[in-house]
Amino acid sequence: DGGITQSPKYLFRKEGQNVTLSCEQNLNHDAMYWYRQDPGQGLRLIYYSQIVNDFQKGDIAEGYSVSREKKESFPLTVTSAQKNPTAFYLCASSLAPTGMYEQYFGPGTRLTVT
Amino acid sequence: QQQVKQSPQSLIVQKGGISIINCAYENTAFDYFPWYQQFPGKGPALLIAIRPDVSEKKEGRFTISFNKSAKQFSLHIMDSQPGDSATYFCAATGPTGGGNKLTFGTGTQLKVEL
Repeated sequence: DGGITQSPKYLFRKEGQNVTLSCEQNLNHDAMYWYRQDPGQGLRLIYYSQIVNDFQKGDIAEGYSVSREKKESFPLTVTSAQKNPTAFYLCASSLAPTGMYEQYFGPGTRLTVT
Repeated sequence: QQQVKQSPQSLIVQKGGISIINCAYENTAFDYFPWYQQFPGKGPALLIAIRPDVSEKKEGRFTISFNKSAKQFSLHIMDSQPGDSATYFCAATGPTGGGNKLTFGTGTQLKVEL
């Protein structure tokens, strides 16, 4: 069964702690993306990667970091520098790194920081 | 210039009625306009997409209307059903082949009542 998995579904952390969200895909897609979803604000791009060992900042990269050491994996670290980290985080992938290719989304991770 | 403005924010339609969601964009380089559907607790999924060389695209009960001169496009859901209750996002990207990211609208929460 091909798709994108994100774990865990719910994550709770204390303020000041870094936390890493997992994203794995077995679709053999080159491009991967991280979005943040907040009520009334749609999907905002945090980071994206077009190929292994390469990634670019999206619109709201401050306070986040990523790595792309393997084609199938694109973990996102929410650092303590992110001022408002509580949100729903979505990982996506597409065959090629252009918007005209369908992006396949994972089920998301809801992060709550208190 | 990268914004996509979506309205309404929420919509309630009676079963069997027509749901209409509108989007407007500024960037004339955009040349691909997908719509994504998201059910609660899930990631978005591609519903239907259009290129500006056609004014309308229909897939089943879902139709995109595109007005290039007005820089507007809309999603029509005919014979709306309770199972259509979801959040709908319009998006835009371009120019094709330019490696551009998707820019999403802020979403419309649709509820179809019996």
